[in-house]
Amino acid sequence: EPEVTQTPSHQVTQMGQEVILRCVPISNHLYFYWYRQILGQKVEFLVSFYNNEISEKSEIFDDQFSVERPDGSNFTLKIRSTKLEDSAMYFCASSNRHSFTNEKLFFGSGTQLSVL
Amino acid sequence: KNEVEQSPQNLTAQEGEFITINCSYSVGISALHWLQQHPGGGIVSLFMLSSGKKKHGRLIATINIQEKHSSLHITASHPRDSAVYICAVIGGADGLTFGKGTHLIIQP
Repeated sequence: EPEVTQTPSHQVTQMGQEVILRCVPISNHLYFYWYRQILGQKVEFLVSFYNNEISEKSEIFDDQFSVERPDGSNFTLKIRSTKLEDSAMYFCASSNRHSFTNEKLFFGSGTQLSVL
Repeated sequence: KNEVEQSPQNLTAQEGEFITINCSYSVGISALHWLQQHPGGGIVSLFMLSSGKKKHGRLIATINIQEKHSSLHITASHPRDSAVYICAVIGGADGLTFGKGTHLIIQP
């Protein structure tokens, strides 16, 4: 079965540094998503992306966050100036149609971000 | 904002038992996902359903849109079914809204 690939699996950074989390969605998928899960808490929606622009975002996704699909295969999440509370597992997902309708989501294995 | 509640929060059962995990939500939705999160953290989508019932192997998911309730059943449970099962509902401007998950342990 096709897979969503995320790199790196673990990222350690200093507070205030910029980080870029990378994802390679399934090749024929059109909708892309980032979610995060703080340790011990539930998964939270961050942003959805379609046709090279953000289609939905949560209140978590503030000006410190940005997403990009720079080359037609990668989908990145950038955090400009990391805070301690950004420490979480970040999941990328993709689907062939909008997840807000009738479509299965495919998740990557996640990037564990630790901000020190 | 949709409130998603799952029950039970934790469930330990013996191999072979029939398992039921429940999910209820407060605001009407268009569809609902059941997800499985493995001990290593990876998430797998099990079902997406908007009405009725779906079956895949030993897993069955049902939803009652009017009652705002869904259930996930596992028949002939096995230790490899041990995972966190998460319900996520679709609707509203915040994308998917997730439940806290049900921690399932199946003992041999």
